[in-house]
Amino acid sequence: KQEVTQIPAALSVPEGENLVLNCSFTDSAIYNLQWFRQDPGKGLTSLLLIQSSQREQTSGRLNASLDKSSGRSTLYIAASQPGDSATYLCAVHGGATNKLIFGTGTLLAVQP
Amino acid sequence: EAQVTQNPRYLITVTGKKLTVTCSQNMNHEYMSWYRQDPGLGLRQIYYSMNVEVTDKGDVPEGYKVSRKEKRNFPLILESPSPNQTSLYFCASKIRLAGDETQYFGPGTRLLVL
Repeated sequence: KQEVTQIPAALSVPEGENLVLNCSFTDSAIYNLQWFRQDPGKGLTSLLLIQSSQREQTSGRLNASLDKSSGRSTLYIAASQPGDSATYLCAVHGGATNKLIFGTGTLLAVQP
Repeated sequence: EAQVTQNPRYLITVTGKKLTVTCSQNMNHEYMSWYRQDPGLGLRQIYYSMNVEVTDKGDVPEGYKVSRKEKRNFPLILESPSPNQTSLYFCASKIRLAGDETQYFGPGTRLLVL
């Protein structure tokens, strides 16, 4: 059974720092991995999707990497801003049912 | 604007009173799904639908029903809500079944069952 873990559960950094969020999964046979952002009381916004054949994806200040063999993904945020404060979720595509298996998230606070 | 909408956004009800949470997408997506989000447990899939009239159970289907009579709509029905169904509910959709495209999520429905 696929399990997704995110470490740390919470992170507080000063504005301008570069930071890395971690996601690990137990079954390397994945279709893709997606990173989402969730603001308090809001829905999920897709940030990056990495196909199983890819090693990384970039969007602006965000870079996500994928190492299937070790069951790990990282989300790198460059030059963090207070507006980046949110909960970040990673989710693994669960196969033919299209189910997403989510981690429990990392709550990020960027201090001005 | 391409989007997934849910109604209502907030709902307080009492045990046993049937309710329906609606979900609609305007992107002609084949696949739709419902999740619930609970502290410490993350998001878990309740039901999903591969196409019109095709639905199946996810990981936590007990106490829920769904229907897919039209491609754009995928309502979640709680026939007899109980307090353990107090949660934040999300509807999601995806354009194709076999593709690796992004899944899009609605804004969420926060349900409190007293």
